[in-house]
Amino acid sequence: EAGVAQSPRYKIIEKRQSVAFWCNPISGHATLYWYQQILGQGPKLLIQFQNNGVVDDSQLPKDRFSAERLKGVDSTLKIQPAKLEDSAVYLCASSLEWAGWDEQYFGPGTRLTVT
Amino acid sequence: AQKVTQAQTEISVVEKEDVTLDCVYETRDTTYYLFWYKQPPSGELVFLIRRNSFDEQNEISGRYSWNFQKSTSSFNFTITASQVVDSAVYFCALSEAALGDNNDMRFGAGTRLTVKP
Repeated sequence: EAGVAQSPRYKIIEKRQSVAFWCNPISGHATLYWYQQILGQGPKLLIQFQNNGVVDDSQLPKDRFSAERLKGVDSTLKIQPAKLEDSAVYLCASSLEWAGWDEQYFGPGTRLTVT
Repeated sequence: AQKVTQAQTEISVVEKEDVTLDCVYETRDTTYYLFWYKQPPSGELVFLIRRNSFDEQNEISGRYSWNFQKSTSSFNFTITASQVVDSAVYFCALSEAALGDNNDMRFGAGTRLTVKP
């Protein structure tokens, strides 16, 4: 079974530029999550989708971050414009169900450096 | 509000030593789920175990064991006879959601384990 795919693996941009990350979850997984992991911290949930609908984006900085999952499969997370404090690893995860007990499967992440 | 505390930032042991990673959680819910994930240098978080709040039985899987104690709100993880391949960052996480609820999994800050040969 193929895991969660993410691209690119690394990205370096200057502040005020825009950037987009792509995620393809495990086939058949209804729920998709985007996390931000700042160096030395645990992952923090940004947004979660159930199929192609947003179920929680309360921690997404909506003035600069946006995400979509148009066909209920792969997803894109965008930052525009980027700030220095956005430097982090962006992790995508998916789970079979939309439930608290369901383990999440994580991709390798995209390491973003904003200079 | 839910919170997970991993007080040990870094631990270093020599191969074959036993090591315990501590996890303390806070929640007001009676139904919740606790998880441990491993993050090797490659960056991908790997699921290790899940526990629900009604099951306090300890669990052993090979060299790994978990001790869940509701009385102290702790869910500690022990590696017996550690190996170099166990070197990674380990995260404890808590989810309060039931089916159909927002699955806002809260992670601790992680414990970096280094096992030296």
